[in-house]
Amino acid sequence: EPEVTQTPSHQVTQMGQEVILRCVPISNHLYFYWYRQILGQKVEFLVSFYNNEISEKSEIFDDQFSVERPDGSNFTLKIRSTKLEDSAMYFCASSLGTGYSYEQYFGPGTRLTVT
Amino acid sequence: GESVGLHLPTLSVQEGDNSIINCAYSNSASDYFIWYKQESGKGPQFIIDIRSNMDKRQGQRVTVLLNKTVKHLSLQIAATQPGDSAVYFCAENIYGNKLVFGAGTILRVKS
Repeated sequence: EPEVTQTPSHQVTQMGQEVILRCVPISNHLYFYWYRQILGQKVEFLVSFYNNEISEKSEIFDDQFSVERPDGSNFTLKIRSTKLEDSAMYFCASSLGTGYSYEQYFGPGTRLTVT
Repeated sequence: GESVGLHLPTLSVQEGDNSIINCAYSNSASDYFIWYKQESGKGPQFIIDIRSNMDKRQGQRVTVLLNKTVKHLSLQIAATQPGDSAVYFCAENIYGNKLVFGAGTILRVKS
């Protein structure tokens, strides 16, 4: 069964450093997402991406965050200058379409630890 | 504002019993609702969804009920198995493709 993959599984970085989290969505999917989950809390939407541009973003997704689809398979989330509060699990998701019956498939996540 | 919350943070059930996980939502404009299961170390896994114009939908061993009058959503798992132990999240889609997740309920199945 096709699945979303993410690398690395765990990233440790120092405050102020840039990180890039990588995702390979399901190959025929057209919509891509990033969510995050702070330890013990709920999953929060960050951004959605379609047709090479951001379609929606949350208040969390400020100027420190950016997304890119550099080629036909990868989808990345960059945090320019990490803060302690960026420590969380980051999940990538993809879907074939949007709306009811278009399931968002989630990857296993990248645990980001900012020290 | 947008908020989806859960009544019970932890639910313990005996193997073979039925489980009911509840969720309250606040946005009447939500288009559809989804239940996700999250096992330790994994991403959320889709279980079942329901459109806002429905009140019940059944899957394999799972049923989702939607009560729009009181803005309440529930997930029923029949004959709960040890493999059902996980955190369960409800989520709502208000518009576009953004999902708003609830806080999560831990389901523990005792053998």
